[in-house]
Amino acid sequence: KQEVTQIPAALSVPEGENLVLNCSFTDSAIYNLQWFRQDPGKGLTSLLLIQSSQREQTSGRLNASLDKSSGRSTLYIAASQPGDSATYLCAWRGGSEKLVFGKGTKLTVNP
Amino acid sequence: EPEVTQTPSHQVTQMGQEVILRCVPISNHLYFYWYRQILGQKVEFLVSFYNNEISEKSEIFDDQFSVERPDGSNFTLKIRSTKLEDSAMYFCASSVQRTGGEKLFFGSGTQLSVL
Repeated sequence: KQEVTQIPAALSVPEGENLVLNCSFTDSAIYNLQWFRQDPGKGLTSLLLIQSSQREQTSGRLNASLDKSSGRSTLYIAASQPGDSATYLCAWRGGSEKLVFGKGTKLTVNP
Repeated sequence: EPEVTQTPSHQVTQMGQEVILRCVPISNHLYFYWYRQILGQKVEFLVSFYNNEISEKSEIFDDQFSVERPDGSNFTLKIRSTKLEDSAMYFCASSVQRTGGEKLFFGSGTQLSVL
């Protein structure tokens, strides 16, 4: 059974700091990996999707990488801002329809 | 920007009652999904739906659950006889293609409380 783990569970940083969120998965037969942002009382917003054939994707201050051999993905956030405060989820997809989610990292960026 | 719309945002029901959660996916999307998140736990896949039929379902999606696309815009999740353990945030999602190639767009969720 596929397991997705995110470390740390919570992270608090001062504004302006660069940070890395980690995601690991047990099944390397990955189709793609998606990073989402979840705000309280709101849905999930897709940030980046990395196909299995790709090593990384970038969008603005966000960069996500994928290492299939080690079963890891990282989300790098540059120059963090208070508005980045949210829970960040990674989701693994294999050969089926479903996404398998990690429990998330709750990020707090302090002004 | 187009978005997935879910109603109601909160639903309170008595155990054993039927509930219908409603979703309006993005108009040109073809693949529809329901996920749920029990408080403090991971987001879990329930079911995927394409071309008016279920394409995949999880072990959670038992005979008490059903999905329907009654018209060209709505996508519904029905729970026939709710249990206490059905209390969760239910998310609808849609994509243009299967999640292999396209991002999944989620609604804001319906918080279901079963008393």
